[in-house]
Amino acid sequence: KQEVTQIPAALSVPEGENLVLNCSFTDSAIYNLQWFRQDPGKGLTSLLLIQSSQREQTSGRLNASLDKSSGRSTLYIAASQPGDSATYLCAVRRWDSTLGRLYFGRGTQLTVWP
Amino acid sequence: NAGVTQTPKFQVLKTGQSMTLQCAQDMNHNSMYWYRQDPGMGLRLIYYSASEGTTDKGEVPNGYNVSRLNKREFSLRLESAAPSQTSVYFCASVQGAGTEAFFGQGTRLTVV
Repeated sequence: KQEVTQIPAALSVPEGENLVLNCSFTDSAIYNLQWFRQDPGKGLTSLLLIQSSQREQTSGRLNASLDKSSGRSTLYIAASQPGDSATYLCAVRRWDSTLGRLYFGRGTQLTVWP
Repeated sequence: NAGVTQTPKFQVLKTGQSMTLQCAQDMNHNSMYWYRQDPGMGLRLIYYSASEGTTDKGEVPNGYNVSRLNKREFSLRLESAAPSQTSVYFCASVQGAGTEAFFGQGTRLTVV
């Protein structure tokens, strides 16, 4: 069974810092990996999708890397802002009998203070 | 472009009552999913549907039933609600293996 772990569980930093959120998964036979953001009481917003053949993906101040063989992904947030405060979820997809279900980590709760 | 729409957004039920959570997507996606999110547990798959007319159980299906009414709509039914079903429910859809999954805004359900 695929297990996804996110470290740290919570992070509190001052504005302007560069951040690294970590995600690890136990089964490297993944199709792709997706990072989401969840604001309190809200749904999941997709941030980045990395295919298993890719090493990294960038969107604005966000950069996600993937090392499939070691079962790791990192989400790098540059020059953090208070508006980045949210829970960040990592999810991996295996195209198996469940036809693309996502296996989620429990998230990293990020607080960026002014 | 609405994406994935869930109704209702909030619901309070008494133990034993039934209700149906609705989900609709307008992206012509093939696969749809129902997850529940509980504190400390992460998101867990309840049921999924590969295409219209097909449904299968996920990891926590007990107490739930689903219907894939057409390609757009995938509903989740609680026949006799229990306090253990208090949770936030998310519907998701995806076109294919290499594409992004999109989520609805969630239904916050409390069973008293």
